[in-house]
Amino acid sequence: GQNIDQPTEMTATEGAIVQINCTYQTSGFNGLFWYQQHAGEAPTFLSYNVLDGLEEKGRFSSFLSRSKGYSYLLLKELQMKDSASYLCAVTDSNYQLIWGAGTKLIIKP
Amino acid sequence: IAGITQAPTSQILAAGRRMTLRCTQDMRHNAMYWYRQDLGLGLRLIHYSNTAGTTGKGEVPDGYSVSRANTDDFPLTLASAVPSQTSVYFCASSEGGTPGFGYTFGSGTRLTVV
Repeated sequence: GQNIDQPTEMTATEGAIVQINCTYQTSGFNGLFWYQQHAGEAPTFLSYNVLDGLEEKGRFSSFLSRSKGYSYLLLKELQMKDSASYLCAVTDSNYQLIWGAGTKLIIKP
Repeated sequence: IAGITQAPTSQILAAGRRMTLRCTQDMRHNAMYWYRQDLGLGLRLIHYSNTAGTTGKGEVPDGYSVSRANTDDFPLTLASAVPSQTSVYFCASSEGGTPGFGYTFGSGTRLTVV
């Protein structure tokens, strides 16, 4: 079966760095997405990785290792507004998105 | 403002009633999707449409139907609602065939079936 695992919840301090991990087992791979979802709102696109390595975009970076079925989202200089759920999703061989349950990130002052 | 519009925002529905959730996009995206999101579970695909005139079943299609008469509209119908269909429903669209662009989501419909 297809499976994506992420921690259910993480807590971090304002100004710090946090890494949210995602492991996946899917039938084929055509890219991995990270989305941010604030409570009561729709998911919004953060990043896309299809090749191994690190993609940096401002305070957010995303890493992919296809051989390990592993990705992480790195958030630097955390701000209170970063409190949200972070969703990992993988595009399988049929170009369908398979979603993880999301990681709820709580930022404390 | 370009994007996806969903209606209604929220609804309380009696079990057994029929309901259509509306979704309209103005980005001329080929592909559209309906997801449900339940606490502790990931987004689960109900139905999708790769292009106008075609539809397909997702992971949890039972009890739901869709149509795609044109590029912009993708309504989701619950023929006879049951309490297990209580959820938040998101409509999404994408360029289709170019996965790197990701999905654009509507703001969601919160449905409670009682």
